[in-house]
Amino acid sequence: GQNIDQPTEMTATEGAIVQINCTYQTSGFNGLFWYQQHAGEAPTFLSYNVLDGLEEKGRFSSFLSRSKGYSYLLLKELQMKDSASYLCAAMDSNYQLIWGAGTKLIIKP
Amino acid sequence: GAVVSQHPSWVICKSGTSVKIECRSLDFQATTMFWYRQFPKQSLMLMATSNEGSKATYEQGVEKDKFLINHASLTLSTLTVTSAHPEDSSFYICSARRQQGGDQETQYFGPGTRLLVL
Repeated sequence: GQNIDQPTEMTATEGAIVQINCTYQTSGFNGLFWYQQHAGEAPTFLSYNVLDGLEEKGRFSSFLSRSKGYSYLLLKELQMKDSASYLCAAMDSNYQLIWGAGTKLIIKP
Repeated sequence: GAVVSQHPSWVICKSGTSVKIECRSLDFQATTMFWYRQFPKQSLMLMATSNEGSKATYEQGVEKDKFLINHASLTLSTLTVTSAHPEDSSFYICSARRQQGGDQETQYFGPGTRLLVL
């Protein structure tokens, strides 16, 4: 079956770095997405990886290893506003999204 | 495994026809479901909030007469795109809110439905 795993909750300190991992098993693969979702709001697109490697975008970076079925989202210089849920979603061969349950990130001063 | 399903996953239709998309919560009851539209590599745009037994709440700029939402049961919400036109071609994603006791709730997303209007 198809499955996505990511931690349920993580806690980090303002100014620090945090890495949110995501492992996936899908029928075929057409890329992996990361979204940020604040409570009561729609998910905001953060990144899309389809090739192996690290993509950096400001304070956020996303990494993909297709052979390992693994991705991570790296957040640097954490700010209080980064407190949110982070959703990992893989796209399968039918271009359907398989969603993780989300990782709730709590930032402490 | 998936907890929210959508049907169909793909649909191709002629301009002027209506298309119905179903969103089902598979093993829980969802009093609230959400419908989103997604453009490539962009954020999900909330179209409407669907509440079981009452009228949907539409976001500003979304035509309620064009995008009909029916939340007939606690496990099913439908989005009907009426008189579809090519500009309605998009990826439509639903989600269902699951209450887990107290104030805790989780939102589960469906796999999406790709609509292509010719």
